Amino acid sequence: DAGITQSPRHKVTETGTPVTLRCHQTENHRYMYWYRQDPGHGLRLIHYSYGVKDTDKGEVSDGYSVSRSKTEDFLLTLESATSSQTSVYFCAISESREGFETQYFGPGTRLLVL
Amino acid sequence: QQQVKQSPQSLIVQKGGISIINCAYENTAFDYFPWYQQFPGKGPALLIAIRPDVSEKKEGRFTISFNKSAKQFSLHIMDSQPGDSATYFCAAIDSNSGYALNFGKGTSLLVTP
Repeated sequence: DAGITQSPRHKVTETGTPVTLRCHQTENHRYMYWYRQDPGHGLRLIHYSYGVKDTDKGEVSDGYSVSRSKTEDFLLTLESATSSQTSVYFCAISESREGFETQYFGPGTRLLVL
Repeated sequence: QQQVKQSPQSLIVQKGGISIINCAYENTAFDYFPWYQQFPGKGPALLIAIRPDVSEKKEGRFTISFNKSAKQFSLHIMDSQPGDSATYFCAAIDSNSGYALNFGKGTSLLVTP
């Protein structure tokens, strides 16, 4: 998993509660990403970071915020969880391969919002 | 909107056969095309990737064919094995947009013994 850990691995929460997912990497990669995976949609980008305190929105960023206060940690926060945010969340890092940056994924966090 | 279209949605192939998955894109800014393999309960794993200035790339039993003019690319799995049964995703990267992946919706491959 390219030195990527995600926590928690599983979480059940209630609608309206805040939730924070953590992605931790040990290899000093500059770029980090959060995706969600849903049946019929594949994986979709939520937010990404290109350095400490530098982040940008992805395709499905509404309802999510991120923070990156140090290189190794990228946090995804659901300010007020909704049932539509039930999903599997994957963190990824970008690494150079054949002169191009491509991505390696963590093991995922399965989130259920009741 | 889905920037990469993938087909078929599911595929059943006999052991030893050839599995073929096709993808198409519209955004000519894409400049790298990786394929990912995902087993149940696991994260996607990089399988093979190609640059648009190359028409074919082979790694073991896996081959990517790339047609830049048609904006299409495909994955061929030769001598398919039951252990290849997984979901496969094609993707495209625009290096000027944070190297984020634009994924197809995936193909569920089942290789029967």
